Amino acid sequence: QKEVEQNSGPLSVPEGAIASLNCTYSDRGSQSFFWYRQYSGKSPELIMFIYSNGDKEDGRFTAQLNKASQYVSLLIRDSQPSDSATYLCAVKGGNKLVFGAGTILRVKS
Amino acid sequence: EAQVTQNPRYLITVTGKKLTVTCSQNMNHEYMSWYRQDPGLGLRQIYYSMNVEVTDKGDVPEGYKVSRKEKRNFPLILESPSPNQTSLYFCASSSLLYTEAFFGQGTRLTVV
Repeated sequence: QKEVEQNSGPLSVPEGAIASLNCTYSDRGSQSFFWYRQYSGKSPELIMFIYSNGDKEDGRFTAQLNKASQYVSLLIRDSQPSDSATYLCAVKGGNKLVFGAGTILRVKS
Repeated sequence: EAQVTQNPRYLITVTGKKLTVTCSQNMNHEYMSWYRQDPGLGLRQIYYSMNVEVTDKGDVPEGYKVSRKEKRNFPLILESPSPNQTSLYFCASSSLLYTEAFFGQGTRLTVV
């Protein structure tokens, strides 16, 4: 079992819709959780981070964390074509930041 | 401007020829790490360093070396590159263990 798992996609949504990206992790001791966006050939950039159970909202983005079920999700409201990218879930426990393989999101105009 | 700088951005080399990819950050971060990214496998950690002269293996350290003689620099060394090390490499730094990682621009390495 991979430490951090994501559906590779692609996830296709129409412009203006809500995109829902999910991530599960195996280490119950994980303490911080990150979502990165990566455009093709570019470096990852941080979108959201969350440490506590529940929801965290920042503009069009909402991160949701459920430690008991060991999943973290990212919702993107009013999706735009510029949101088309690969979204990486990252989980930190101890000294390591472990990344999932990423979900490709395609927003169709 | 806060940044992580990697050089070179692109490199084509031959099997067995030693090479070094440099990484430098100007944010006084303690924590630095190297990742490789391959299609379908995501980002995998090669080595990390928690401070000067403190380094440790990540998930895929075989065939790589690192050093941390200064806080700002964390070079990645391939002493005898092989074709299976063809990949996209990222250096990253962060201030504390639980904050975000800032990434360099990436180095696309091809070993023929």
